[in-house]
Amino acid sequence: DTGVSQDPRHKITKRGQNVTFRCDPISEHNRLYWYRQTLGQGPEFLTYFQNEAQLEKSRLLSDRFSAERPKGSFSTLEIQRTEQGDSAMYLCASSLMGAHTGELFFGEGSRLTVL
Amino acid sequence: AQSVTQLDSHVSVSEGTPVLLRCNYSSSYSPSLFWYVQHPNKGLQLLLKYTSAATLVKGINGFEAEFKKSETSFHLTKPSAHMSDAAEYFCVVSDRAGTASKLTFGTGTRLQVTL
Repeated sequence: DTGVSQDPRHKITKRGQNVTFRCDPISEHNRLYWYRQTLGQGPEFLTYFQNEAQLEKSRLLSDRFSAERPKGSFSTLEIQRTEQGDSAMYLCASSLMGAHTGELFFGEGSRLTVL
Repeated sequence: AQSVTQLDSHVSVSEGTPVLLRCNYSSSYSPSLFWYVQHPNKGLQLLLKYTSAATLVKGINGFEAEFKKSETSFHLTKPSAHMSDAAEYFCVVSDRAGTASKLTFGTGTRLQVTL
């Protein structure tokens, strides 16, 4: 399968713990995005990379959140000191630079449950 | 700022009957508009896109949408529903004057198809 893959698919953690999600984009895609989706809502933009550069961050991304894409390939999203309000589906997407804005390829998501 | 409003959170149709999922948008600039579909436990998939070319846009699986600037609408239609169309549908706007591929999703419409 050559689509966007995310790991883990499900994570249950206790409040205050740190969690990390990984995203492997489609191999030739140089843009990578993170979105968050809560129950009954559409996905909300979190952050965006072009190659290894993080070009934009949403105000939703508090200082407990950090994302990296160290070699311009896979990306990680870390949440420190998790809170119950962090419970959501975290979606990763990728696209080709030059492809029209909005043509994103999404992974199946990583579902976080904070107890 | 851009936004989309999906007028129905849930739509139920019988198999073989037409589908209409409604979407209105607001954008400061000439928008790009999209419909994405999310099947249970699957990643979001692009159905179709409008990017200022033809106002009637055809997508995958027999879906189409018409961009109506005067009504600020981008409704999704299909002549005949199939059981496999049951899913969550998101209307999405991308501000082409924006600096990145930041999509704004609607809250979604859940399509139920009954026998």
